[in-house]
Amino acid sequence: GDSVTQMEGPVTLSEEAFLTINCTYTATGYPSLFWYVQYPGEGLQLLLKATKADDKGSNKGFEATYRKETTSFHLEKGSVQVSDSAVYFCALLLSGSARQLTFGSGTQLTVLP
Amino acid sequence: DTAVSQTPKYLVTQMGNDKSIKCEQNLGHDTMYWYKQDSKKFLKIMFSYNNKELIINETVPNRFSPKSPDKAHLNLHINSLELGDSAVYFCASSQGGSNQPQHFGDGTRLSIL
Repeated sequence: GDSVTQMEGPVTLSEEAFLTINCTYTATGYPSLFWYVQYPGEGLQLLLKATKADDKGSNKGFEATYRKETTSFHLEKGSVQVSDSAVYFCALLLSGSARQLTFGSGTQLTVLP
Repeated sequence: DTAVSQTPKYLVTQMGNDKSIKCEQNLGHDTMYWYKQDSKKFLKIMFSYNNKELIINETVPNRFSPKSPDKAHLNLHINSLELGDSAVYFCASSQGGSNQPQHFGDGTRLSIL
């Protein structure tokens, strides 16, 4: 079945460090890929998305490129801030009537001042 | 204005009780969803619903039932609550094609005593 595998956390970085959170997927078709972020006590917010191979999603300094050859969608940010501390979820969505997101297990990021 | 709103935010109740969680979206979306997030932050789809089709995740016990009075609402009713039902439940909505992101509510934290 379809699945998403995320880098296990927690991840702890110092402010201004470079961030990479790995995400790979298995899917029977051509999914759309998403990164969602969950701040403490809040719901999930869409961070960025990519709908086809080689697309790059970007938002708030975060980037991820849809790599079909490696079935990956790694999240990167050049310089993290304390306010980036949150749980990050990679997710895929296949076309079809269900439109149900399949999530990775989430990666807790803590950024220290 | 909140796009996807859930009530209550917190729900504490005893085993065996029946409870409902309400969800409303003001985005004009055609599909709504319920997700369950366990204590390890893992997210799993429970239901997706539009005015034509209800898709149920086969692992969801039949004690859980979605009820949709209209297109903007999808409530979650739970019968005979069990300890294992303790989790955060998220409502979400989306519109249109399979590459459209889902918008999430802030979650309802359900605690079973």
